[in-house]
Amino acid sequence: DAKTTQPPSMDCAEGRAANLPCNHSTISGNEYVYWYRQIHSQGPQYIIHGLKNNETNEMASLIITEDRKSSTLILPHATLRDTAVYYCIVSNYGGSQGNLIFGKGTKLSVKP
Amino acid sequence: KAGVTQTPRYLIKTRGQQVTLSCSPISGHRSVSWYQQTPGQGLQFLFEYFSETQRNKGNFPGRFSGRQFSNSRSEMNVSTLELGDSALYLCASSFQGNLNTEAFFGQGTRLTVV
Repeated sequence: DAKTTQPPSMDCAEGRAANLPCNHSTISGNEYVYWYRQIHSQGPQYIIHGLKNNETNEMASLIITEDRKSSTLILPHATLRDTAVYYCIVSNYGGSQGNLIFGKGTKLSVKP
Repeated sequence: KAGVTQTPRYLIKTRGQQVTLSCSPISGHRSVSWYQQTPGQGLQFLFEYFSETQRNKGNFPGRFSGRQFSNSRSEMNVSTLELGDSALYLCASSFQGNLNTEAFFGQGTRLTVV
């Protein structure tokens, strides 16, 4: 089972920041937090991942709380093309775990 | 750099037949994982191959099998197809499957069993 809890849906106005929360209270010390998104009927797209420090790349920022029990993905200026299902995953992917366990994710709708 | 390539993109098969799907990972990537996505069950892990060896396996029946070749390309096979096998099959590749790595997904193969 997925080890994360996400709201099933969120709306965001175009041009505004989209903040997607994720709870992962049972995360282990060697597990990373990954974010992927899936636009309708396409393969999931990697966004960002982190262990305990905040991370930023050209797509998004990842804020992880100090106790690592929750995180927030921030899309700084959401566009209509950011409408997708966003998955938060905790995993030691690549270590003893060779797979990513996807939950139901958050369906983000960006509206004009 | 080319992404993960899956062929074919769409496939229609009859119940009882078998099917083989192909995945070419990103050049240099040695780990290939397969996932099944259905509306009811979401994205579920099938198996992972690394250096031609199955390293991890999900909870699917033995009708689902796979292999990886020396060039890291992978195939998955489903025998005795059932209607419930209709799904989007996704392949993901990663560099070495080590910690702190990310997986990149292909566009998937949409299998319809009639």
